[in-house]
Amino acid sequence: GQQVMQIPQYQHVQEGEDFTTYCNSSTTLSNIQWYKQRPGGHPVFLIQLVKSGEVKKQKRLTFQFGEAKKNSSLHITATQTTDVGTYFCAGPHNAGNMLTFGGGTRLMVKP
Amino acid sequence: EAQVTQNPRYLITVTGKKLTVTCSQNMNHEYMSWYRQDPGLGLRQIYYSMNVEVTDKGDVPEGYKVSRKEKRNFPLILESPSPNQTSLYFCASRLTGGDGNTIYFGEGSWLTVV
Repeated sequence: GQQVMQIPQYQHVQEGEDFTTYCNSSTTLSNIQWYKQRPGGHPVFLIQLVKSGEVKKQKRLTFQFGEAKKNSSLHITATQTTDVGTYFCAGPHNAGNMLTFGGGTRLMVKP
Repeated sequence: EAQVTQNPRYLITVTGKKLTVTCSQNMNHEYMSWYRQDPGLGLRQIYYSMNVEVTDKGDVPEGYKVSRKEKRNFPLILESPSPNQTSLYFCASRLTGGDGNTIYFGEGSWLTVV
């Protein structure tokens, strides 16, 4: 079945440093979604990418969808303590009826 | 306010004692789903429902049942819970009509089976 892998699993950064998490799917995706889960919280939808090579920005967050639509990345510029949490990518399968999540990257930011 | 409500939020139960985790959404979403979250494994889909009376297995359905008698409710039933079902459970909902709609998650239900 479809697999979605994320690296790294954990990342410690100093506040102000940049952060990137990478997502790779075993199959071509129709779209990829990113979620953020704060410690003790629930996943919250951040963004969806649909087009090959698409790049979207949300303030300090930059999301990219690979040309082959099998990989994606999330880059945070100048991290802040409010960025702390686990970031998940997710890709649909089974005609979009199911969603496979990556294992997540847990970001910790030292003030 | 748009929300997905789960109950109970926290539960400790014993092996074999049937339990139900309720889920309700107020957004008139057709699609609802249950996930479990375990350390290092991310979220894994248990069951999903495309609409009333339509349910389907996800990636890890063993040991679980669901029902969808009303559009707003999608309870998760553990007929005979076992310790390997100790996990954090999330209910989620979205509109149908494609695979690109935002998914809204509930607050989560921490379940411990001893």
